[in-house]
Amino acid sequence: DGGITQSPKYLFRKEGQNVTLSCEQNLNHDAMYWYRQDPGQGLRLIYYSQIVNDFQKGDIAEGYSVSREKKESFPLTVTSAQKNPTAFYLCASSYQGQNYGYTFGSGTRLTVV
Amino acid sequence: AQKVTQAQTEISVVEKEDVTLDCVYETRDTTYYLFWYKQPPSGELVFLIRRNSFDEQNEISGRYSWNFQKSTSSFNFTITASQVVDSAVYFCAPGGGGYNKLIFGAGTRLAVHP
Repeated sequence: DGGITQSPKYLFRKEGQNVTLSCEQNLNHDAMYWYRQDPGQGLRLIYYSQIVNDFQKGDIAEGYSVSREKKESFPLTVTSAQKNPTAFYLCASSYQGQNYGYTFGSGTRLTVV
Repeated sequence: AQKVTQAQTEISVVEKEDVTLDCVYETRDTTYYLFWYKQPPSGELVFLIRRNSFDEQNEISGRYSWNFQKSTSSFNFTITASQVVDSAVYFCAPGGGGYNKLIFGAGTRLAVHP
């Protein structure tokens, strides 16, 4: 079955370390997105990519980096510059065009220890 | 700028009650799409409905129904005869703010008690 896979489900990081969250989709979607969700909060867009080798900053890109070398993959790196990285991270993908909704992964819960 | 407001932060009901979740949006686009997603405790967002701005007919899917009123920029969601399994956070998301970017509201947390 087609879908979008995020790994790991839970991740612990020491302060000062970079960590990479994986997102893979086999839906043949062109666009991919990363969102951050804090407790009791909505979703805030970190980065998005509409095509391979291209990506744009969202509303809260500082302290994060991404790459899009393959259509299927859109990894997110949380760098040590991100001051408050503990959060729930959701990856999504979609076809191009505003009439398509997103398919979401099951999320990665990152905790800084 | 695109904006969406879900004024109800949390709603608590008893099973079998009807409940309506409000969504008000702002957009400068003349054509756009509106979505509702459900986020159960597992965390993954689940697609519920997509509505385009040309179609103002109400839609019903089982116990779920949606009322879209373009004149008031609202897209409200009603659950009839709520069940415990409906407990989740519900997000309204208009399409806007750029190509294929959905703008998510803060969400409404619904708790259905037995």
